[in-house]
Amino acid sequence: EPEVTQTPSHQVTQMGQEVILRCVPISNHLYFYWYRQILGQKVEFLVSFYNNEISEKSEIFDDQFSVERPDGSNFTLKIRSTKLEDSAMYFCASRGLLSTDTQYFGPGTRLTVL
Amino acid sequence: DQQVKQNSPSLSVQEGRISILNCDYTNSMFDYFLWYKKYPAEGPTFLISISSIKDKNEDGRFTVFLNKSAKHLSLHIVPSQPGDSAVYFCAASEALYNQGGKLIFGQGTELSVKP
Repeated sequence: EPEVTQTPSHQVTQMGQEVILRCVPISNHLYFYWYRQILGQKVEFLVSFYNNEISEKSEIFDDQFSVERPDGSNFTLKIRSTKLEDSAMYFCASRGLLSTDTQYFGPGTRLTVL
Repeated sequence: DQQVKQNSPSLSVQEGRISILNCDYTNSMFDYFLWYKKYPAEGPTFLISISSIKDKNEDGRFTVFLNKSAKHLSLHIVPSQPGDSAVYFCAASEALYNQGGKLIFGQGTELSVKP
């Protein structure tokens, strides 16, 4: 069964450093997402991506964040200068063309900013 | 911003009995609803969905009910099994109005099914 994969599973970084979180969405999917879950809080939408551009982003997704689909298979989330409050689980998701197609989530990357 | 609320942080049921998880929403533009199950250190796993044109959708042991006038949905699991123990998230989207389809999640309810 196809699945979304994410690497690394755990990333530890120093405050102010850049991190790149990687995702391989399901191969025939067209919409890609990043969500995050701060410990003890709800899963929050960050950004959606379609046709090589951002289709929607949340208030959380400020200039420190960027997304890219560099090679037609990977989908990345970059945080340019990490803050302590960026510590969270980051989930990638993907879905087909229709807005009612199910979003399938990856296992997540735990980001710890020290 | 509490557009989707799951007011019960936890629920405990006996194996074989029914589990009922509840979810309320405030945004009348939501027209597509999903339930996800999540184990620790894993991503959310899709369980079942329902469109606002329906009031019930069933898949095996899982049934989702939607009451649009009350802006309320519930997930029924019958019979409950110990392997169902996990955190259950309700999520909603404005599928008709927003092709991007971002999901808005509730806080989750931790279900514990005791043998």
